[in-house]
Amino acid sequence: SQKIEQNSEALNIQEGKTATLTCNYTNYSPAYLQWYRQDPGRGPVFLLLIRENEKEKRKERLKVTFDTTLKQSLFHITASQPADSATYLCAPDSGNTPLVFGKGTRLSVIA
Amino acid sequence: DAGITQSPRHKVTETGTPVTLRCHQTENHRYMYWYRQDPGHGLRLIHYSYGVKDTDKGEVSDGYSVSRSKTEDFLLTLESATSSQTSVYFCAISATGGNNQPQHFGDGTRLSIL
Repeated sequence: SQKIEQNSEALNIQEGKTATLTCNYTNYSPAYLQWYRQDPGRGPVFLLLIRENEKEKRKERLKVTFDTTLKQSLFHITASQPADSATYLCAPDSGNTPLVFGKGTRLSVIA
Repeated sequence: DAGITQSPRHKVTETGTPVTLRCHQTENHRYMYWYRQDPGHGLRLIHYSYGVKDTDKGEVSDGYSVSRSKTEDFLLTLESATSSQTSVYFCAISATGGNNQPQHFGDGTRLSIL
């Protein structure tokens, strides 16, 4: 069956450092991979989408990589700030079925 | 922000009672989804709709039914609520299903069944 693993439930980092979150998937062949941010008490918010033929995508301080051989996506936040503290969800997108989300990684950026 | 409204935002009810949650969108998106989110399980798809009167089951559909009589409204019904259905319920919309379209979520309904 399809499985999505996000590397850890929680990640604590110092302000100013780069946060790296991992999304691994099995029994999938996604053409895209989406990343979302969720704040407490709110619904997830779409951040970035990367296509299988894109090795890397950037948006401001965010960078996402997508390695279809390793079946892995990495999500980086550079120069992290306390306001980046949230839960981040990945969702491999096969393109023809509803999205399935990972359980998320809760990031805490400590000032 | 995408125009998605979930109602009610909070509800407490008793086991065995029927419950209906409403999702209303103003984006004219074709696809609408209901998820539940629980600690340790993440977001799990309950049902989704790909058009008026067109619905399909998700991963955890048992005990739930849905209806979509208008593009803008997607209702989730618990015919006879059980304590295991205590959860936070999220509605989401997308212009198309998958195919690199992002989903836009409402802010959730916190449902407690005593």
